[in-house]
Parts: sequence; structure tokens; C-alpha cells
Amino acid sequence: EVQLVESGGGLVQSGGSLRLSCAASGFTFSSFWMTWVRQAPGKGLEWVANIKEDGSEKYYVDSVEGRFTISRDNAENSLYLQMNSLRAEDTAVYYCATIVGATTEWGQGTLVTVSS
Amino acid sequence: SSELTQDPTVSVALGQAVRITCQGDSLRTYSASWYQQKPGQAPLLVISGQDNRPSGIPDRFSASSSGNTASLTITGAQAEDEADYYCHSRDSSAQSWVFGGGTKLTVL
Repeated sequence: EVQLVESGGGLVQSGGSLRLSCAASGFTFSSFWMTWVRQAPGKGLEWVANIKEDGSEKYYVDSVEGRFTISRDNAENSLYLQMNSLRAEDTAVYYCATIVGATTEWGQGTLVTVSS
Repeated sequence: SSELTQDPTVSVALGQAVRITCQGDSLRTYSASWYQQKPGQAPLLVISGQDNRPSGIPDRFSASSSGNTASLTITGAQAEDEADYYCHSRDSSAQSWVFGGGTKLTVL
């Protein structure tokens, strides 16, 4: 059974930093692209970043480019999101996700709250 | 970047059929997936492509597409189907994901 478990969320002041983690199990982590998606309170889903299987390619939504960094450790089956220069508009539940076969798997999310 | 457009709200009478649509240029190239999200829960994939339903998803959920429009149909809507529904595909660049704004389905 595929499991994705996010951690690292919390309350941070505007301009601060936070590092999110996603622990993966139940599939061959190193064989799949991984993704971060976020959802602001009462809003829709927003793609944040993707990373290739070997970490050689990374893509970001414009609003986080230069502030967020996606990374992975295939030996530890873990995905990360380093978030710097946080803004109030980054407040959201952050999900890690991946497409395994014909199914998209999601974690339960971790809440990031940025206070201004 | 590409956008996907959904109607914000749709309602259906209990037991009737309802279609939720999603429009966007990327759908001409990439197939759509559909997610159901209930309050306080993570999104749940209900169908991807034309007919890939994960185990446990009832067969009253079906999908179709034509041109730049993808559709999710619920045949015989149940009270438990009341939720937000999001369409999702790859961006035209293929390097990113794009989501529709979501449709809130009310079962009357």
C-alpha cells in the first residue's frame, strides 16, 4: 500500500523559513516523479513543484520560484520542500503526491501558517 | 501557463445524473483526472483518463472528453457524492500540473 506522510508544517512569521518532509513507502520511490501541491484555506488546489526521479529536473509555479526548493533523498525515500521568504499568501495545506500507474497518491497534508 | 475552467457550483437531485465539465487547452493533449474532496480530507482520485477508476470507486463515476473539454458524470448521484470536484491534467509544457478551480456539487 502506497503511503505518503507529510511533516514539518507549523506557524512561522512572514519572511521566515520552513522545511517540509514527505516520507514515502509502498512503492519504488526512486522510480517516480514527485510533486508538492498546496491548498489555501477555502481555496482550490495549486500545483507548487515537481521533481524528476533522479532529482535532475525541477519545476516550480511562478509564485514560489526563487523562494522554494524541492529536493529528494532516494536512499531515505523522502521528498522535501525548503520554503524561504515565506509570505502570508503561502498559508496553505501542503500535500505531497505522485502518480503511480493510473493512480494519483496523496498524503494527508501538513498545514503551513504564515503570520504577517 | 495553461488553465482549466470549471463551473463553481453544480446541483443534482438525489438519484439523478449530473455532469461536471472542465475546459482548457492542455486537455487537447493530455487526459484529465478527477478528484473528489470532502471537508478536512485530502483529495481522492475518482477517475483518470477515460475509464481508470481506482478500486473502491463506484462505477456510477465515469469520464469522457472531447477537444478541450473533459467531463465527469455521476449516474445516480448519492448523498455521499456531495463534495468538491477538481479536474487535473499536465500543463501544455508537460513539466507541471494544472488544476481546475473546483466544482462544489450539492445533492438535493
